[in-house]
Amino acid sequence: GAVVSQHPSWVICKSGTSVKIECRSLDFQATTMFWYRQFPKQSLMLMATSNEGSKATYEQGVEKDKFLINHASLTLSTLTVTSAHPEDSSFYICRAVTPGGQATDTQYFGPGTRLTVL
Amino acid sequence: AQRVTQPEKLLSVFKGAPVELKCNYSYSGSPELFWYVQYSRQRLQLLLRHISRESIKGFTADLNKGETSFHLKKPFAQEEDSAMYYCAPDASGGSYIPTFGRGTSLIVHP
Repeated sequence: GAVVSQHPSWVICKSGTSVKIECRSLDFQATTMFWYRQFPKQSLMLMATSNEGSKATYEQGVEKDKFLINHASLTLSTLTVTSAHPEDSSFYICRAVTPGGQATDTQYFGPGTRLTVL
Repeated sequence: AQRVTQPEKLLSVFKGAPVELKCNYSYSGSPELFWYVQYSRQRLQLLLRHISRESIKGFTADLNKGETSFHLKKPFAQEEDSAMYYCAPDASGGSYIPTFGRGTSLIVHP
């Protein structure tokens, strides 16, 4: 079946540095990719929606200058956490959707990236 | 305000017992309704959606518009059903943006 990968799977960085997380759809073209963050024992919170070739749409309360999203191709989206701080430590998950993406075989989640900011 | 409620953080049953994971939603209009599942050490995946009227791995979900509920049910739980289950209404009108509930952890004991 279709697979979505994320890289890195975990990262530890110092406060003030920037971290880039990649989300790739390996064998299908994802017209839309979503980025979520998940705190321990909590649900997924949508951060932003990105469509290939256009600017991402951010959810209310998400700083677009802090969480830079680029969706340069139909198989790659990146999330860059700029000037990371300890409160940005979280589990970041991407979700890729193909056209008509409400069926079980048209949307896929990445395995997630654990970010720890010291 | 739009809201999805999964009242149980944890549901513990024995193998072979019936299981019902509750989900209530509060939305204007008629959202599409989904259940997602995350097994241990695996990524999140879509389990089933209301519009398909499907049964996946023995699970079904019935929409009750009067009660605004979309409970997930299985008549005989199996150990491999142990996982985190998220109810997720989607009121985005075709933008594929469900809102995830906080999740219910189902543990099926042997």
